[in-house]
Amino acid sequence: EAQVTQNPRYLITVTGKKLTVTCSQNMNHEYMSWYRQDPGLGLRQIYYSMNVEVTDKGDVPEGYKVSRKEKRNFPLILESPSPNQTSLYFCASSLTGEYTQYFGPGTRLTVL
Amino acid sequence: DAKTTQPPSMDCAEGRAANLPCNHSTISGNEYVYWYRQIHSQGPQYIIHGLKNNETNEMASLIITEDRKSSTLILPHATLRDTAVYYCIVKYTGTASKLTFGTGTRLQVTL
Repeated sequence: EAQVTQNPRYLITVTGKKLTVTCSQNMNHEYMSWYRQDPGLGLRQIYYSMNVEVTDKGDVPEGYKVSRKEKRNFPLILESPSPNQTSLYFCASSLTGEYTQYFGPGTRLTVL
Repeated sequence: DAKTTQPPSMDCAEGRAANLPCNHSTISGNEYVYWYRQIHSQGPQYIIHGLKNNETNEMASLIITEDRKSSTLILPHATLRDTAVYYCIVKYTGTASKLTFGTGTRLQVTL
């Protein structure tokens, strides 16, 4: 089954404790992206990757890092999480240039 | 990307057709209309897209006016599971794939 998986689905952590949210897709998509969703602000893109070893900032990249060492994986790294990063995070993938994107189930992160 | 305007909310009785409008009066000739939906905090789900011809798939139909300034997403027989926020997005198909979600239309399907 074609899918995007994210782990963990729920996470409660404390300020400053480094964490990684994993994202994996099984559709051989070149393009992957991370979004965050906050009430009243909609979905905003954090980082994206056009292919392996190619990443770029989205609209709200501050406080986040990403890497793309393999085509199927695109982890989101919060080196020093802060409470304003409490949000619902989605990973998405697609073929390059396509807007028919597949989204993961979401990761609800709470930073205390 | 062209700006889109959608009503904030709509109701539909189960079993009836849900017609969700979208205005995109500034759309350019090479921009597509995409529809996504998000069911309560789940990941957005692609529904359908089109350029100028009407499109139909197993989920919905997309009707685009001849001048392309507006479109309607039709769910022919809405069920309770169709209750969601529906997003209309206009994009030029190019190398960058970022989706910009607006506020969408909250569709409530009722018994």
